[in-house]
Amino acid sequence: EAGVAQSPRYKIIEKRQSVAFWCNPISGHATLYWYQQILGQGPKLLIQFQNNGVVDDSQLPKDRFSAERLKGVDSTLKIQPAKLEDSAVYLCASSPGQYEKLFFGSGTQLSVL
Amino acid sequence: DAKTTQPNSMESNEEEPVHLPCNHSTISGTDYIHWYRQLPSQGPEYVIHGLTSNVNNRMASLAIAEDRKSSTLILHRATLRDAAVYYCILSSPFRAGNNRKLIWGLGTSLAVNP
Repeated sequence: EAGVAQSPRYKIIEKRQSVAFWCNPISGHATLYWYQQILGQGPKLLIQFQNNGVVDDSQLPKDRFSAERLKGVDSTLKIQPAKLEDSAVYLCASSPGQYEKLFFGSGTQLSVL
Repeated sequence: DAKTTQPNSMESNEEEPVHLPCNHSTISGTDYIHWYRQLPSQGPEYVIHGLTSNVNNRMASLAIAEDRKSSTLILHRATLRDAAVYYCILSSPFRAGNNRKLIWGLGTSLAVNP
């Protein structure tokens, strides 16, 4: 079974630039999550989708972050403009349903200079 | 939101059992206890979860205290590949319906000595 795919694996940008991350969840998984993980901390939920609807985006900095899940499958997370404090690993996860265990991708490591 | 408390780090020897503790004194009756682990440069990986009863699977065992205010993840024979950060997480109901939210802490960094 193919896992959660994320790209790119690494990204280096300068502050005030924009960046986008892509996630392809496991086939058939209805729930998709984007997490931000700063070095030395646990993952912090940014947004949770159920199919193509948003369940929770309470911790998403909406002035600069946006996310969409087209047709309830792939998802993109965008940051515009980036700040230094956005340097982190961005993890995508999917699960068959909201009570089910999460499957994570390897993440995108973002460095903002 | 109910939170969990774990030691920052622990050390074990290869082929010995490891007991990773977690305190969650403010847990509510509907919160599930989940454990995930994260190997270096990888995304977290599900280990086990439970509500009230002890649970066993091929990776580990989960022992839940009778009052549910603490739990212990047990790795029966540690291997070098078990060196990772282990997160004890509560899954809490969120809003109406079947929504649940995982509340992550800082985790325990487990080192396994050969």
